[in-house]
Amino acid sequence: AQSVTQPDIHITVSEGASLELRCNYSYGATPYLFWYVQSPGQGLQLLLKYFSGDTLVQGIKGFEAEFKRSQSSFNLRKPSVHWSDAAEYFCAGGDSWGKLQFGAGTQVVVTP
Amino acid sequence: GAVVSQHPSWVICKSGTSVKIECRSLDFQATTMFWYRQFPKQSLMLMATSNEGSKATYEQGVEKDKFLINHASLTLSTLTVTSAHPEDSSFYICSARTPRTDTQYFGPGTRLTVL
Repeated sequence: AQSVTQPDIHITVSEGASLELRCNYSYGATPYLFWYVQSPGQGLQLLLKYFSGDTLVQGIKGFEAEFKRSQSSFNLRKPSVHWSDAAEYFCAGGDSWGKLQFGAGTQVVVTP
Repeated sequence: GAVVSQHPSWVICKSGTSVKIECRSLDFQATTMFWYRQFPKQSLMLMATSNEGSKATYEQGVEKDKFLINHASLTLSTLTVTSAHPEDSSFYICSARTPRTDTQYFGPGTRLTVL
């Protein structure tokens, strides 16, 4: 069965420190992969996406993600977090029909 | 660009009544829209796929007679929760897919509380 797994439910990081959020997928073929961020009272915002090609994907707000086929992973990274990065982050896998399957989400808390 | 709106943003209703939630793509035409449900502190679960001019496709376990979906135009899809019960209380989120980019853009969600 297709699935997307985010192993970390909650991560606390200091402002200015680096951040890495893990995402693993299980699909028969390479899915379309996405990272979304959800802030309270706001809709999900697309950070970046991977369909094919270059395995290092640059997104908005200074985020990047690397697709690693050998590890079935699509981890999200940011070199230096800001307090405004505190939010819920969702990794999602999609098929060509557009149906998305979301991971459980990772809550990021940023401390001063 | 690629803005999706939902109305209302929150609604409280009595058990047994029906509630309609609208999802609009404001600056693009969306042949496909999706409806999700999100429980507190949980992930989004796809409920159904809505294609303009055709019947919605429901995910396994979703009651199509309870969650009526209509995609009347390329910019509007509606979800009607019929005969709502307290267990239907949830956060309902829609998304619209842009044909050119195969990317989904999400609405801000609708908080439904059934008393």
